[in-house]
Amino acid sequence: AQSVAQPEDQVNVAEGNPLTVKCTYSVSGNPYLFWYVQYPNRGLQFLLKYITGDNLVKGSYGFEAEFNKSQTSFHLKKPSALVSDSALYFCAVRAPGYSSASKIIFGSGTRLSIRP
Amino acid sequence: DTGVSQNPRHKITKRGQNVTFRCDPISEHNRLYWYRQTLGQGPEFLTYFQNEAQLEKSRLLSDRFSAERPKGSFSTLEIQRTEQGDSAMYLCASSPPWTDSNYGYTFGSGTRLTVV
Repeated sequence: AQSVAQPEDQVNVAEGNPLTVKCTYSVSGNPYLFWYVQYPNRGLQFLLKYITGDNLVKGSYGFEAEFNKSQTSFHLKKPSALVSDSALYFCAVRAPGYSSASKIIFGSGTRLSIRP
Repeated sequence: DTGVSQNPRHKITKRGQNVTFRCDPISEHNRLYWYRQTLGQGPEFLTYFQNEAQLEKSRLLSDRFSAERPKGSFSTLEIQRTEQGDSAMYLCASSPPWTDSNYGYTFGSGTRLTVV
């Protein structure tokens, strides 16, 4: 069964500094990996995904994520943080293939706080 | 099409009452998912439909929970004899019918249930 771990409950970064939100996964086969963001009292918004190809994936709002197969990681990054990036971030994984078992499984989330 | 729509946005109910939530997915999406999210946690998978067929149910979905998607369009999630532990955000998501559906889900804004 697939699983996702987000080892940090909270990440604090000063505005303008680079940020990293960590994620590791476990899945059989080549994974489909996702990052979602959630603002207060809102649903989840899709940020980016890795399916295949380049290990560095670019997404919305200047975010990018690096897939590392040997370390089974998919860390979210941004070169220069904005106060408006403050939100709850979820890493998610899905096993490959078109089957009913291929649902997306979410991590527990990391709260990102950007101070001015 | 304005995305995935969920109603109501908020529901407060007394313990023991029944509640029903509705989800309207993106019109061309044939897959529909229900998740539950408690405070500070990631979304947990509840159940999944492909068209009108309910293909998977989580063990989290007790006998008090039932979901339907009678015409393969909108879906309802009913909770009977609500308990305080049912208090959570209930999220609906949909995805398109591509052969290898590797696309991330589109989420609705959720229905927040409070059982008092």
